[in-house]
Amino acid sequence: KQEVTQIPAALSVPEGENLVLNCSFTDSAIYNLQWFRQDPGKGLTSLLLIQSSQREQTSGRLNASLDKSSGRSTLYIAASQPGDSATYLCAVNQFYFGTGTSLTVIP
Amino acid sequence: DTAVSQTPKYLVTQMGNDKSIKCEQNLGHDTMYWYKQDSKKFLKIMFSYNNKELIINETVPNRFSPKSPDKAHLNLHINSLELGDSAVYFCASSPDQGSGYGNQPQHFGDGTRLSIL
Repeated sequence: KQEVTQIPAALSVPEGENLVLNCSFTDSAIYNLQWFRQDPGKGLTSLLLIQSSQREQTSGRLNASLDKSSGRSTLYIAASQPGDSATYLCAVNQFYFGTGTSLTVIP
Repeated sequence: DTAVSQTPKYLVTQMGNDKSIKCEQNLGHDTMYWYKQDSKKFLKIMFSYNNKELIINETVPNRFSPKSPDKAHLNLHINSLELGDSAVYFCASSPDQGSGYGNQPQHFGDGTRLSIL
């Protein structure tokens, strides 16, 4: 069974810093990996989806990479802003979610 | 224009009661889902329906029964509520088949916070 882990559970950074969020999964036979953000009291908003045949996806200041052989994905956020503060979750094969990283960007 | 809408947003009820949560999507998607997010923010798939047919049922107690009258609606009925059912329940939809192999992102509702007294 697929297990997905996200470390760290929480992260605080000053505004303007570049940062990396990590997602690890146990079964490398994946079809897709998706990154979401969740704001307090809200649902999940899809940020990036990487197919198993792809190595990375980019959207604006966000870049997600996928390394199936090592069972890892990273979400890179450039020039962080206070509005980036949220919980970030990764999901493998659409359904298997990590426990998330709570990000706080300090003005 | 809310894409995926859930009602109610909050639900407080007594143990042993029966309750329903409604979900509607106006995106024209073929597949809808129910997830449970526990107090530690862990999100777990419960069900997925594609064109009103059950695709995934992830070891959910029989007290939980999804009902899909049409592909735009997926309601969740819960019988004999227990303390452990307290959680946030999220509905989602996607244009693919809901089997986990798709290449389309899911769209989530804002959740229903269920509290059992």
